[in-house]
Amino acid sequence: GAGVSQSPSNKVTEKGKDVELRCDPISGHTALYWYRQSLGQGLEFLIYFQGNSAPDKSGLPSDRFSAERTGGSVSTLTIQRTQQEDSAVYLCASSLDRGQSNEQFFGPGTRLTVL
Amino acid sequence: GENVEQHPSTLSVQEGDSAVIKCTYSDSASNYFPWYKQELGKGPQLIIDIRSNVGEKKDQRIAVTLNKTAKHFSLHITETQPEDSAVYFCAASISIKAAGNKLTFGGGTRVLVKP
Repeated sequence: GAGVSQSPSNKVTEKGKDVELRCDPISGHTALYWYRQSLGQGLEFLIYFQGNSAPDKSGLPSDRFSAERTGGSVSTLTIQRTQQEDSAVYLCASSLDRGQSNEQFFGPGTRLTVL
Repeated sequence: GENVEQHPSTLSVQEGDSAVIKCTYSDSASNYFPWYKQELGKGPQLIIDIRSNVGEKKDQRIAVTLNKTAKHFSLHITETQPEDSAVYFCAASISIKAAGNKLTFGGGTRVLVKP
């Protein structure tokens, strides 16, 4: 079946502009995660959604970052007033988070470049 | 919070040889340890995972070992093939039902298998 999809695949923006990144999780997956991967680095947790529970925002680096998940499915990560240090690949993952099933399935990511 | 260190950062092996990647973690409460493989331009893909109640797990040419006392775990790839060339990430989390599975990733190991 279809995996996690993300759009756009690439985004180039100017410093100070706002950007929106979209994630479509695997159908039926209740958990959705956003991670950031800076060049040559490991992945850094940003935010987690589970069903109708309040999201875990503990990884968001500043108040310029926000995310929402509408209808328990699609999620949008918004970065306001982008800075050059926001340049990275933003990865979305979804999982069932049921019983012993913890596997997170990742999308291909959105490469964000802030000029 | 959790901190995961991964070594080496790069690993070059001859086809057919074994590759070993090691990770250490800091939080003794961590109980879930997945390994991900990331190919160029793609999101990470789970290749094997282990839970803290198990010391070793194998899947064909891949094995993972966990030493809870020393807080380290390792990935072993035997009979390496050119298609094993990729970046490998270890991760750790405290997996609690209904509380999410925030992964803390190591910095990654770039593996090159030379034919």
